[in-house]
Amino acid sequence: QQPVQSPQAVILREGEDAVINCSSSKALYSVHWYRQKHGEAPVFLMILLKGGEQKGHEKISASFNEKKQQSSLYLTASQLSYSGTYFCGTRSSGAGSYQLTFGKGTKLSVIP
Amino acid sequence: GAVVSQHPSRVICKSGTSVKIECRSLDFQATTMFWYRQFPKQSLMLMATSNEGSKATYEQGVEKDKFLINHASLTLSTLTVTSAHPEDSSFYICSARSPGQKNTEAFFGQGTRLTVV
Repeated sequence: QQPVQSPQAVILREGEDAVINCSSSKALYSVHWYRQKHGEAPVFLMILLKGGEQKGHEKISASFNEKKQQSSLYLTASQLSYSGTYFCGTRSSGAGSYQLTFGKGTKLSVIP
Repeated sequence: GAVVSQHPSRVICKSGTSVKIECRSLDFQATTMFWYRQFPKQSLMLMATSNEGSKATYEQGVEKDKFLINHASLTLSTLTVTSAHPEDSSFYICSARSPGQKNTEAFFGQGTRLTVV
């Protein structure tokens, strides 16, 4: 089942912050975040494993609430290069093949 | 990081012809590769899981006779779109993972933009 991402789109001015949410109706083993620019392949940002961990990558961090089956991606002091579509990919607990199911994406536009 | 190379990056073909897309893992052996399709402004939808040395596993609604997958070696998987039609025009992306590592990222190829005219 496809995870649900929100919001669908967001426009930020440089320096502003944003939060992108990803929720699933299934128990999750891991959540993977990717950013995709138009016409390009997705670029890996980070993986979060069950256990409620939080990770950071430059000014981008994420959390994973295993009990709520939710993950949030935090972008702080956004830069123009952050523009793109962000996808969360989820791997369900017990899934043996490591395949990911992706949400519909959140389009982020950062303007000067 | 690990590199996955996909070829060609763009292809235009006539309706009714077949197109082969290659996905190679350049610096690791991938026992499993995944093929996705992405229509404009939509998410990546898993088409099939390609397993080296065995038959691919197709997702519901994906025609295995139309989308032929071959994973003949640990570094190469191919997707052949047979008898292509305009509605097959899409962005096809492969991904691969290093075997034996449970919690690692999936590395994506550059994607192939297929246009059927």
